[in-house]
Amino acid sequence: DADVTQTPRNRITKTGKRIMLECSQTKGHDRMYWYRQDPGLGLRLIYYSFDVKDINKGEISDGYSVSRQAQAKFSLSLESAIPNQTALYFCATSDTRRKGYTFGSGTRLTVV
Amino acid sequence: AQTVTQSQPEMSVQEAETVTLSCTYDTSESDYYLFWYKQPPSRQMILVIRQEAYKQQNATENRFSVNFQKAAKSFSLKISDSQLGDAAMYFCASDSWGKLQFGAGTQVVVTP
Repeated sequence: DADVTQTPRNRITKTGKRIMLECSQTKGHDRMYWYRQDPGLGLRLIYYSFDVKDINKGEISDGYSVSRQAQAKFSLSLESAIPNQTALYFCATSDTRRKGYTFGSGTRLTVV
Repeated sequence: AQTVTQSQPEMSVQEAETVTLSCTYDTSESDYYLFWYKQPPSRQMILVIRQEAYKQQNATENRFSVNFQKAAKSFSLKISDSQLGDAAMYFCASDSWGKLQFGAGTQVVVTP
């Protein structure tokens, strides 16, 4: 099994629908992140969590919310999806030693 | 705030030749880390190389090496003896305060 698992891998949804992207990890890391990738913009941080009781906004949190259900689980929600949220979404984890981040395989979300 | 700039949208290299990708960054943190990630068409984010800012010695991983110029805030990646499997998007990233900031990416094209 992958160290960081994201579900679903691909998703098409309609404008206005609520959607949840899920992430689970087996690395035992405390820190988890959600990034969004758009062509020409790289990856941008949406939300991050340094432990179960810690949730922080990143640079592009508007329109998104998160839930840290356990050390291993961090989900991202779009309460009312809009077309400009069409993107590739990545979950990542890291430990406090900052030796590197482990990424999931991404969720490609299309909002029509 | 931290910023990462990759000024080369695309670089082309012939097999067995060398290519250098540029990256500049800005951070106010004194203890930071720099990374290069590779994203092949499979979209997986793969760690290529990591540099700790307090280390003067440039990091090397097999055919990949960096030129870290701390005063200039420059962190370039050199790929030697390029192979077809090196074709991918390459992202430079800075880790300050436990969060990764990415550049826009450089697409590397490898020609036979």
